[in-house]
Amino acid sequence: DQQVKQNSPSLSVQEGRISILNCDYTNSMFDYFLWYKKYPAEGPTFLISISSIKDKNEDGRFTVFLNKSAKHLSLHIVPSQPGDSAVYFCAASEDSGYALNFGKGTSLLVTP
Amino acid sequence: KAGVTQTPRYLIKTRGQQVTLSCSPISGHRSVSWYQQTPGQGLQFLFEYFSETQRNKGNFPGRFSGRQFSNSRSEMNVSTLELGDSALYLCASSLEGPTQTGTGNTGELFFGEGSRLTVL
Repeated sequence: DQQVKQNSPSLSVQEGRISILNCDYTNSMFDYFLWYKKYPAEGPTFLISISSIKDKNEDGRFTVFLNKSAKHLSLHIVPSQPGDSAVYFCAASEDSGYALNFGKGTSLLVTP
Repeated sequence: KAGVTQTPRYLIKTRGQQVTLSCSPISGHRSVSWYQQTPGQGLQFLFEYFSETQRNKGNFPGRFSGRQFSNSRSEMNVSTLELGDSALYLCASSLEGPTQTGTGNTGELFFGEGSRLTVL
């Protein structure tokens, strides 16, 4: 049973524009959310995270928004760059759950 | 400092065989997690170890097992391999574990490049 869902398998955006990747979750016990980025033939790398006590966290070009009532989070990349082309995974955890629950990923392609 | 190292990187097995995968975490990290990545299911949690103790296990059959040694290195084993076990197996390490704690642990996991298992 997929508790974290990324309903868009792929997204294509022009360089310089905003990329918005969406993620929904079903488990109301999740209180920590992360985004990971994965290039082919590499392991996922941590991008940004947000605690459930916040609704926004920003790190350079990357901003994550959390809407707890809607059980929805999104990752905004502004401006998008060709090097951002990768698969982005949304993940969530319960405190002391010792496991991250990942979505299936969204493949982002940023075209010049 | 050196990242998470997984061996072997690629391997091919036949149905019914068993396989052991190895993971060396980042120096100082005591938590090791294992994930299975397949095209259809994404990343699925297998288990997490901390100080040689399994703290959590995902919804996988008993054919999947693991252990952690005193130096934090970890191994996972899959017995009686099935075609559906073909996947990328990812190991990840962290200081204390993949969830936020009162000490301010961000829950960031550092992943290895994975072991690509093909079952024929």
